[in-house]
Amino acid sequence: DGGITQSPKYLFRKEGQNVTLSCEQNLNHDAMYWYRQDPGQGLRLIYYSQIVNDFQKGDIAEGYSVSREKKESFPLTVTSAQKNPTAFYLCASSIPRPGGLNEQFFGPGTRLTVL
Amino acid sequence: KQEVTQIPAALSVPEGENLVLNCSFTDSAIYNLQWFRQDPGKGLTSLLLIQSSQREQTSGRLNASLDKSSGRSTLYIAASQPGDSATYLCAVPAGYQKVTFGTGTKLQVIP
Repeated sequence: DGGITQSPKYLFRKEGQNVTLSCEQNLNHDAMYWYRQDPGQGLRLIYYSQIVNDFQKGDIAEGYSVSREKKESFPLTVTSAQKNPTAFYLCASSIPRPGGLNEQFFGPGTRLTVL
Repeated sequence: KQEVTQIPAALSVPEGENLVLNCSFTDSAIYNLQWFRQDPGKGLTSLLLIQSSQREQTSGRLNASLDKSSGRSTLYIAASQPGDSATYLCAVPAGYQKVTFGTGTKLQVIP
């Protein structure tokens, strides 16, 4: 079955540590995204990638970094510069549809907690 | 900048009731919209992708409509069931290969 996998499901980080969240897709989609979700707030875009070896900052990229070395993989690193990293992180991929919407498909998410 | 609003933020209904969820957007120059469902602690599941040329899209007990002129989409759920309890989000295009999400409506269907 095609889909998006994220690991780990739960992640605990000590202050000052960098951590990397994994996202893999076998849908053959070119575009991939990372979102952050906080209680009571909508999804906020961290980074997105339209093609291998290319990525752009979203609305809240500070303190995060990404890479896109393979079409299937788009890992997100939460660095120590991110002051409030505790949140639910969602990875998505998309395919373009007529009229401008990229139909988005989501992974199960990773919950990151800073101790 | 596209802004998306979903009202109410929370809704509680008895089982069997028909209900409507609303999604409003500020930039009406869109041609399609996507509705999602999110269960607690889970990722988003796509429910319907509706294009303005279609006006409506149906999947089982779900029906979504899109009215660009009024900047509004509605998701109609017929004969609600406790299993429908979840948060429902809408998303609209916001630039090349990006979308903007509403903050969602948390639905509780009471047995």
